[in-house]
Amino acid sequence: DAGVTQSPTHLIKTRGQQVTLRCSPKSGHDTVSWYQQALGQGPQFIFQYYEEEERQRGNFPDRFSGHQFPNYSSELNVNALLLGDSALYLCASSLTLAGGTDTQYFGPGTRLTVL
Amino acid sequence: AQSVTQLGSHVSVSEGALVLLRCNYSSSVPPYLFWYVQYPNQGLQLLLKYTTGATLVKGINGFEAEFKKSETSFHLTKPSAHMSDAAEYFCAVSDPGGGYNKLIFGAGTRLAVHP
Repeated sequence: DAGVTQSPTHLIKTRGQQVTLRCSPKSGHDTVSWYQQALGQGPQFIFQYYEEEERQRGNFPDRFSGHQFPNYSSELNVNALLLGDSALYLCASSLTLAGGTDTQYFGPGTRLTVL
Repeated sequence: AQSVTQLGSHVSVSEGALVLLRCNYSSSVPPYLFWYVQYPNQGLQLLLKYTTGATLVKGINGFEAEFKKSETSFHLTKPSAHMSDAAEYFCAVSDPGGGYNKLIFGAGTRLAVHP
């Protein structure tokens, strides 16, 4: 059973560019959450997707957007990159239950460097 | 608003010694609580979680944690440290009544294990 997968592993961009990161959830999961982990810090919640819609959002600007596909995979898009966007971007998948989402399982992350 | 405080950004122990990593939370309602471990250049792996029921929770790799509501704490322990336990450990909370269960992480504690 494949776990959560993310691509690419590493990415280098320059300021002002746009980037797309991809995530495939664990088999049987229908919910994808994205987190940003800056160097030396804990992960910060960006947003969560369920049924192809953004269901919850953290304190991130509109430059951060996403998408979820019918097969539950997801993309994270960041426009107009800033140096401060350099971080490890983590995708977590889970199953939405009646009372909320079940345990989140994380992928290996995408390391984004903005020069 | 919920928050998580991990006391001690760096903890160093000898191999075979007790491991104690501290986590305190702030929440208006008893939250769900999690410990994740992150090895270098990897994503997060779930060690254990507390949702309801028994307050002493056992996880993988010999770790356990105890939920103490009166102290708003969820400290992680392991009786005997192994060299392979060297990693970054994150405590996280989610609001069971807040819907969709986004995770709020602490800043992390880096555990070093020396011979």
